[in-house]
Amino acid sequence: GESVGLHLPTLSVQEGDNSIINCAYSNSASDYFIWYKQESGKGPQFIIDIRSNMDKRQGQRVTVLLNKTVKHLSLQIAATQPGDSAVYFCAEGNRLAFGKGNQVVVIP
Amino acid sequence: EAQVTQNPRYLITVTGKKLTVTCSQNMNHEYMSWYRQDPGLGLRQIYYSMNVEVTDKGDVPEGYKVSRKEKRNFPLILESPSPNQTSLYFCASPLGGPSLNQPQHFGDGTRLSIL
Repeated sequence: GESVGLHLPTLSVQEGDNSIINCAYSNSASDYFIWYKQESGKGPQFIIDIRSNMDKRQGQRVTVLLNKTVKHLSLQIAATQPGDSAVYFCAEGNRLAFGKGNQVVVIP
Repeated sequence: EAQVTQNPRYLITVTGKKLTVTCSQNMNHEYMSWYRQDPGLGLRQIYYSMNVEVTDKGDVPEGYKVSRKEKRNFPLILESPSPNQTSLYFCASPLGGPSLNQPQHFGDGTRLSIL
């Protein structure tokens, strides 16, 4: 079947390098954001979230940055691994609205 | 282990033949929702339910029905499927407690093809 990754912006990254995925939102009142990872043939999986009273949050190999001034958030993946190949998308938690996503392809 | 279970995972059917996609969650959550995912359009919400017997339209409800007779189940019904409903469907429920302000736990998806 057709992949959900088609028609999406694609980031190709060498294994071991860092990846940065960006997301813009429109609602200035949004105060909660979530990043999801979706591997081929699977449902979206929660990676990390951040509330608007923070501008940075770190997890295991992942960091989310939030810039409320320009309504932008980013997901940074450190030391990208082949298992990180997936579609990543952000969501505004309150509205459960979802970005269209970014395809990350890790080159071994 | 928190689970959202959808059935079937794959279905090919014909225009006009009623079908139901089932969804159940074992987290005793009040909130459940259905999404469709299409290339280039991302996830779009079809219907959601805040509690038993309480359902509301999402962004793309046309051609779909839902019911919520018990907390754990939230079936998606296509009374007269059409080819434009060919899509990948996901059921979801909050990962943690009942609040909406938290990550969603998604099922593995149901790929529907309407010929």
